[in-house]
Amino acid sequence: DAGITQSPRHKVTETGTPVTLRCHQTENHRYMYWYRQDPGHGLRLIHYSYGVKDTDKGEVSDGYSVSRSKTEDFLLTLESATSSQTSVYFCAIRSSSYEQYFGPGTRLTVT
Amino acid sequence: TQLLEQSPQFLSIQEGENLTVYCNSSSVFSSLQWYRQEPGEGPVLLVTVVTGGEVKKLKRLTFQFGDARKDSSLHITAAQPGDTGLYLCAGRTSGNTGKLIFGQGTTLQVKP
Repeated sequence: DAGITQSPRHKVTETGTPVTLRCHQTENHRYMYWYRQDPGHGLRLIHYSYGVKDTDKGEVSDGYSVSRSKTEDFLLTLESATSSQTSVYFCAIRSSSYEQYFGPGTRLTVT
Repeated sequence: TQLLEQSPQFLSIQEGENLTVYCNSSSVFSSLQWYRQEPGEGPVLLVTVVTGGEVKKLKRLTFQFGDARKDSSLHITAAQPGDTGLYLCAGRTSGNTGKLIFGQGTTLQVKP
């Protein structure tokens, strides 16, 4: 157990509304990641963070922003949700040996 | 753009059969990780292979990293219903970021 929690676990929202997903870790890892998982695509990296206030884009970052004001929290924001952002979102941390451990996921439905 | 092609995408077999899942790329990876995921949960790390040609065993699961570190395989001997799930391979890119490139996943169903 890597001590990762995600909230909410499920959310239904309407197109055009802002949504923020939260990832919380208890083990002080420097690197944190946000992925989305869609059928046939595996997991795709949205954004990642390498420290407080230090973030960078992944391969599918359009329409998403992130913030990391504390080591333990990594927030993913959809400024104006679209139906194409309906997905399952996973947060992960990176251990000192470069292995990634995942949270339980958030299922987001945009109607 | 680095890609990792995983095959097959779906596999339905009877209990006791053997199977192999492949991950192939034209890119070299620093390491290759295999995950197993159950419905409604996050991926769980099974193993990491780092050295070209490395073989690791986890009970009935055998993982191999290609000599050139571009491909990997997962072999399950005498599959059991408890092996059912989604298997994902992920290659780590070079550099300190530790970014992973994931294959599309293999959904395995083992019927009793």
